Amino acid sequence: AQTVTQSQPEMSVQEAETVTLSCTYDTSESDYYLFWYKQPPSRQMILVIRQEAYKQQNATENRFSVNFQKAAKSFSLKISDSQLGDAAMYFCAYRSASNNDMRFGAGTRLTVKP
Amino acid sequence: GAGVSQTPSNKVTEKGKYVELRCDPISGHTALYWYRQSLGQGPEFLIYFQGTGAADDSGLPNDRFFAVRPEGSVSTLKIQRTERGDSAVYLCASSLDGRTDTQYFGPGTRLTVL
Repeated sequence: AQTVTQSQPEMSVQEAETVTLSCTYDTSESDYYLFWYKQPPSRQMILVIRQEAYKQQNATENRFSVNFQKAAKSFSLKISDSQLGDAAMYFCAYRSASNNDMRFGAGTRLTVKP
Repeated sequence: GAGVSQTPSNKVTEKGKYVELRCDPISGHTALYWYRQSLGQGPEFLIYFQGTGAADDSGLPNDRFFAVRPEGSVSTLKIQRTERGDSAVYLCASSLDGRTDTQYFGPGTRLTVL
């Protein structure tokens, strides 16, 4: 079974600085998708970024980018120029291309200090 | 258009009671998912609908849990004989189809079983 591990329960960053959140996963499949979701106190899970495993190029969305290392099964999220509104729980998620069961990590709570 | 909506936002019930949680997906989305998120954890998959049928219900914890989507749009998650361990946030998500599309989440229903 696929598992997703986020080894940092909490992270803190100064406003305008850069922070990297770690995620590793375990799978025997070659075709899959990886996601980072943000969950503010409102509980709504908001998609931050998505990566297809067959793409070598790392996904980027404005201030958010990933470092996808397929051989190492690592998928970290980098947030540049951190803003107060970035404070939230961040979840890494894995989904196989052959089914719809999405697996989530335990989350990392990001605090942004003014 | 409107996002995924869930009602009620919060539900408090007594042990042994029956509850229904409702999810209204994004218009036109054929795939619908239910997840359960316990305190301090990431969401766990419960069930996936493609249209009106439950394509994958492997995440339902036991036969007290049941979900329907009779017209391929709104879905109801039903929990019989609730137990204190059922207390969690129940999240619903939808996607355009069930294959490769990103899942969009609702704000969840916080269920508390006293």
